[in-house]
Amino acid sequence: AQKITQTQPGMFVQEKEAVTLDCTYDTSDQSYGLFWYKQPSSGEMIFLIYQGSYDEQNATEGRYSLNFQKARKSANLVISASQLGDSAMYFCAMTPYGNNRLAFGKGNQVVVIP
Amino acid sequence: ETGVTQSPTHLIKTRGQQVTLRCSSQSGHNTVSWYQQALGQGPQFIFQYYREEENGRGNFPPRFSGLQFPNYSSELNVNALELDDSALYLCATHTGRENFQETQYFGPGTRLLVL
Repeated sequence: AQKITQTQPGMFVQEKEAVTLDCTYDTSDQSYGLFWYKQPSSGEMIFLIYQGSYDEQNATEGRYSLNFQKARKSANLVISASQLGDSAMYFCAMTPYGNNRLAFGKGNQVVVIP
Repeated sequence: ETGVTQSPTHLIKTRGQQVTLRCSSQSGHNTVSWYQQALGQGPQFIFQYYREEENGRGNFPPRFSGLQFPNYSSELNVNALELDDSALYLCATHTGRENFQETQYFGPGTRLLVL
């Protein structure tokens, strides 16, 4: 079984600043994928970024980057140059190779203030 | 917009009733997964359908059942509703290729309230 831990309390971030969201995971699988999703108040889960366990380089997608430290089992999301529209819940999730069944953490609340 | 749609958007039911939620897949996606998200929690995997067959199930009782149709749209049925079934129900679709690099695309969800 996989376990995702997101324990940061809600965060207030100044517009245009960077924010780091912590995610640690526990799994016995050797091959797995890590994902970050954004969930605005509307409820829809929006895919942000993906990291494979065997990828040597950290993933980046526009303003999103993933700080992947495999030995520490952490996959922190960095959002650069925060925008007001970044205010949302952010979920870290993982799936072992082959079954595509996502296991999610409890999420991090981010509020961007002008 | 992902192209995944869900209906209805909101629903209110009473304990003991039955409910059917619907999900239409993004074009080209033959796999649908359903998730339950209780208030303040992350989504929990309910089950997955691939080419009209159940392809894995999470820790949910049999009163949670599903269907997938030839056009890959899907239904989630919940019988004998309980108060704890109140949640946001999300469906997610992907192409079903057997590799873990599949990204799942979610619909907007159905908010179910059981009174």
